[in-house]
Amino acid sequence: NAGVTQTPKFRILKIGQSMTLQCTQDMNHNYMYWYRQDPGMGLKLIYYSVGAGITDKGEVPNGYNVSRSTTEDFPLRLELAAPSQTSVYFCASLQGTGALGYTFGSGTRLTVV
Amino acid sequence: DAKTTQPTSMDCAEGRAANLPCNHSTISGNEYVYWYRQIHSQGPQYIIHGLKNNETNEMASLIITEDRKSSTLILPHATLRDTAVYYCIGGYNNDMRFGAGTRLTVKP
Repeated sequence: NAGVTQTPKFRILKIGQSMTLQCTQDMNHNYMYWYRQDPGMGLKLIYYSVGAGITDKGEVPNGYNVSRSTTEDFPLRLELAAPSQTSVYFCASLQGTGALGYTFGSGTRLTVV
Repeated sequence: DAKTTQPTSMDCAEGRAANLPCNHSTISGNEYVYWYRQIHSQGPQYIIHGLKNNETNEMASLIITEDRKSSTLILPHATLRDTAVYYCIGGYNNDMRFGAGTRLTVKP
């Protein structure tokens, strides 16, 4: 049982490049989330999904896209990377509204130069 | 989600109880109080949650005031490994919004 797995752990992008941050969970959780965390700040919700085929915007969705074709996977896409997207990205999952708390991945540290 | 207010930072001596306060005066009747912590640059870790009653688990205790406007997370015997940022969140467990939290430093 691996929990929530994020890849890559580190990445450097040039301005204007695109990339996909991968997130997969093996706990059959319905809810999945993407957060970003800037240095010294709390986490901001980017996108979330309540199940396969359903996604919705969080607090800071601009510049990102997501898809949820399976229960296990919730990739985050950056189309035109900008320096403002330099951050640590965390993926999380939750079994359902009656569950205790989120399970977080270990994060992806992204630098845009 | 309810707005929460936490001190920016706190210190605690190793082996002593760490008491972390949180104000959530705008919390609605059916919103829970959740606590997470984030050690260094790891992903946040769920600690405990409660609605009205005090709660205890293997990690911590949660004391919620009768009017539900504030709560205290208690780590009964803090260790150096408890040094982390602690987040108090008022809301529903499928929509967690994290603030800046309290940076707890446990000192030897």
